[in-house]
Amino acid sequence: KAGVTQTPRYLIKTRGQQVTLSCSPISGHRSVSWYQQTPGQGLQFLFEYFSETQRNKGNFPGRFSGRQFSNSRSEMNVSTLELGDSALYLCASSPGQKNTGELFFGEGSRLTVL
Amino acid sequence: AQSVAQPEDQVNVAEGNPLTVKCTYSVSGNPYLFWYVQYPNRGLQFLLKYITGDNLVKGSYGFEAEFNKSQTSFHLKKPSALVSDSALYFCAVRVYNQGGKLIFGQGTELSVKP
Repeated sequence: KAGVTQTPRYLIKTRGQQVTLSCSPISGHRSVSWYQQTPGQGLQFLFEYFSETQRNKGNFPGRFSGRQFSNSRSEMNVSTLELGDSALYLCASSPGQKNTGELFFGEGSRLTVL
Repeated sequence: AQSVAQPEDQVNVAEGNPLTVKCTYSVSGNPYLFWYVQYPNRGLQFLLKYITGDNLVKGSYGFEAEFNKSQTSFHLKKPSALVSDSALYFCAVRVYNQGGKLIFGQGTELSVKP
């Protein structure tokens, strides 16, 4: 069974640009969550999607957005990039509606903003 | 507010010695607790979880954790450390009724020397 797949793994952007990151969850998983990891702030929750609907949202500005498609694949978008957006962006999936179990993480997309 | 604390930024252990990585939590209601490990430039790998039941939880790679409700702790342990255990370890708590949202501790760097 394939794991969570994130693309691209590495990317470099300049300030003001926008970026789209993609996440394919484990087959059969309907929930996809996104996290930002930085040395200073650690791991912070961005948002979660379940059955194409945003179920939870963290404390990030509106420049950060996401969506989920009918096949459960998810994308997140960051517009008007700032230097502070440089981070490892992690996607995680889990099976069902009532999540009491663990999340399964991808390898991450490392974004560098110059 | 729900929170997780890992009081040690770094833990140093000699190979073959027992290791402990500490975690305390603050949640309303019953906690769902997790440990993850992260190797350089990789995503998070699930180690173990406590949902309910026995206070001693066994997980992957010989790790175990002890849930202590009175001390609100969930320390990660291993009887005999390996050099390959050197990595970044995260404790996390699932937020009640918020699906896939995990709150992570700041992480503890474990270094095992030969």
